[in-house]
Amino acid sequence: GNSVTQMEGPVTLSEEAFLTINCTYTATGYPSLFWYVQYPGEGLQLLLKATKADDKGSNKGFEATYRKETTSFHLEKGSVQVSDSAVYFCALSESGGYQKVTFGTGTKLQVIP
Amino acid sequence: DGGITQSPKYLFRKEGQNVTLSCEQNLNHDAMYWYRQDPGQGLRLIYYSQIVNDFQKGDIAEGYSVSREKKESFPLTVTSAQKNPTAFYLCASSIGQGSQPQHFGDGTRLSIL
Repeated sequence: GNSVTQMEGPVTLSEEAFLTINCTYTATGYPSLFWYVQYPGEGLQLLLKATKADDKGSNKGFEATYRKETTSFHLEKGSVQVSDSAVYFCALSESGGYQKVTFGTGTKLQVIP
Repeated sequence: DGGITQSPKYLFRKEGQNVTLSCEQNLNHDAMYWYRQDPGQGLRLIYYSQIVNDFQKGDIAEGYSVSREKKESFPLTVTSAQKNPTAFYLCASSIGQGSQPQHFGDGTRLSIL
């Protein structure tokens, strides 16, 4: 079956530091990949997505590149802010009929001033 | 603005009691989902529905029930058969099948009295 593995958190960074959150996946087909963000007490919001190999998703300074050869979709940001503190989820879903979304366990990011 | 509304935000259940969580969307999405989120874990799928009057069990459907009588609404009932119901429940919707991103509500936190 499909699976998503994220790096363990929490990740604590100082403001303006570089962020990387690792995500690797296992899938039988050609999935679409997503990053979602969850702020305290809220639901998940789509942060970015990529639908095929070598695609780069980007939004709000975050970016991630779909790497088929390494089955990875690492999230990066060049300079984090305190407002980026949240839990980040990597996810995948396969196309063609209903395919459920498989989520990683989430990585908590804390940015300190 | 279109979105997903979950109510109530906080819910308390007595032992042996059924409770119903509301989920309404005005995005005109065909598919709707219910997830359970426990601390330090990813999202686990309870039920999903691809179309009105049809729904399917997810990975952890035991002790839960749903209905889909209208496109906009997908209520979840947590029955007394669910022995560990304390969790954060998230409702989501998507345009259709497969690789479309999901849109989430802000969740309902259920606790046992």
